[in-house]
This record gives sequence, C-alpha cells and structure tokens, in this order.
Amino acid sequence: EVQLVESGGALVQPGRSLRLSCTTSGFSFGNCALSWVRQAPGKGLEWVGFIRSKPYGGTTEYAASVKGRFTISRDASKSIAYLQMNSLHTEDTAVYFCTSYTGNYYTPTVFHYWGQGTLVTVSS
Amino acid sequence: DIQLTQSPSSLSASVGDRVTITCQASHDIANYLNWYQQKPGKAPNLLIYDASNLQTGVPSRFSGSGSGTDFTFTINSLQPEDFATYFCQQYDNLPLSFGGGTKVEIK
Repeated sequence: EVQLVESGGALVQPGRSLRLSCTTSGFSFGNCALSWVRQAPGKGLEWVGFIRSKPYGGTTEYAASVKGRFTISRDASKSIAYLQMNSLHTEDTAVYFCTSYTGNYYTPTVFHYWGQGTLVTVSS
Repeated sequence: DIQLTQSPSSLSASVGDRVTITCQASHDIANYLNWYQQKPGKAPNLLIYDASNLQTGVPSRFSGSGSGTDFTFTINSLQPEDFATYFCQQYDNLPLSFGGGTKVEIK
C-alpha cells in the first residue's frame, strides 16, 4: 500500500524557517517524483514544487512564489522527501500536501498519491 | 503561465442529478488535464487523467472530455458521497496549475 505521511507543520513567526518531511512507503522511492502542493485555509490548491526521480537526476522545479526561499530534497536511504522553507511569509500559511508521481515522464503529469497534509501557520 | 478557469464555482444538486463542470485554459493544453475530488479535511483524490481517462477504481459515473482550451467534467447520477469540491489541473507547462475549484453541495 502506498503511503505518504507529512510531518513538521507548526506555528512559526514571519521570517523564520521550517522543514517539512514526507515519509513514504509502498513504492519504489527512487523511481518517483515527489511534489508539494499547498492549500491556504478555505482556498484552492497551489503547486509549490517538485523533485524529479533519481533516473532524471533528482532535479527540482518551483513555483515563482517560493523560488529562492523553499528547497525540496530527498533522502533515498530513508524514503523521505523534505521541504525546507526559509524566510516564511504570512501568505505561506497553508496545509502542505506531499504527492507522488510514479510515471515515466521527465516532469510529473499527475499527482497519483497524496499524504494527509500538515498545517503550517505563519503568524507573529 | 497557464490559467485554468473553472465554472461554476459552486452548485447545488440533488442525488441522481447529472452535474457538469467546465474548465477553460488560457492557452491550448491539448489533453494535458486532470480532475481531482476533495472532501473536507482530506487530501485530493485523482479521478480523471489526460482529460478523459478514468483512474483505476473510480466509479464509471465520473467522466471527462475536451481538448485544447475547453474541458468538461461530468458526474452522471450524483451520489451522496459525491458532494465535494472538484479541481482541474494542467501539466502542459510549468508552473503546474489548478483551477479554482467547484464545490458541489446538496440541494
């Protein structure tokens, strides 16, 4: 069974940093791309970024709203993906979902599996 | 960037009704469109991929069609468990993007 479990969400002050984790199981971690998608309270879905699979070099792409502040990485030995968030803004407040793509394209085309999400609140 | 405009943003319907949601892309995205269902407090769930392909395990009352800039998502014979919010998502180009969502409520 495919599982993705996010953790690390918290209340944090503007300008501070936070790292989210996405612990995975049930699939070949190295052969999947992992994305982060967020949802502000009562709002729609926003793609944050992804890290490509190992065969595609594990390269990353980000939304303009987080580029330069957020970094996605992966630890194959633990089957965990991370979202390092620096210089947090109040508008980064959202539930952050980790999703996986198990297809063969260079860029993920669909979000196959999702975690339950973890809440990040940025407030003073 | 490709913008996806969903309509309506919300609708009220009864069990057994046929429901149609549209998603319009700001540029031609061929059939590079997916549909998701999200229930309150839960993660989204993939229903349709590549505009018209039913994800494994998804009931056949759900369907999708369209290509280019205009797409349609249909629920035939709405069931109680279908009351949720539905999102379209494009993957033609980065940044990946979602429509604003359509909330399907009980009439």
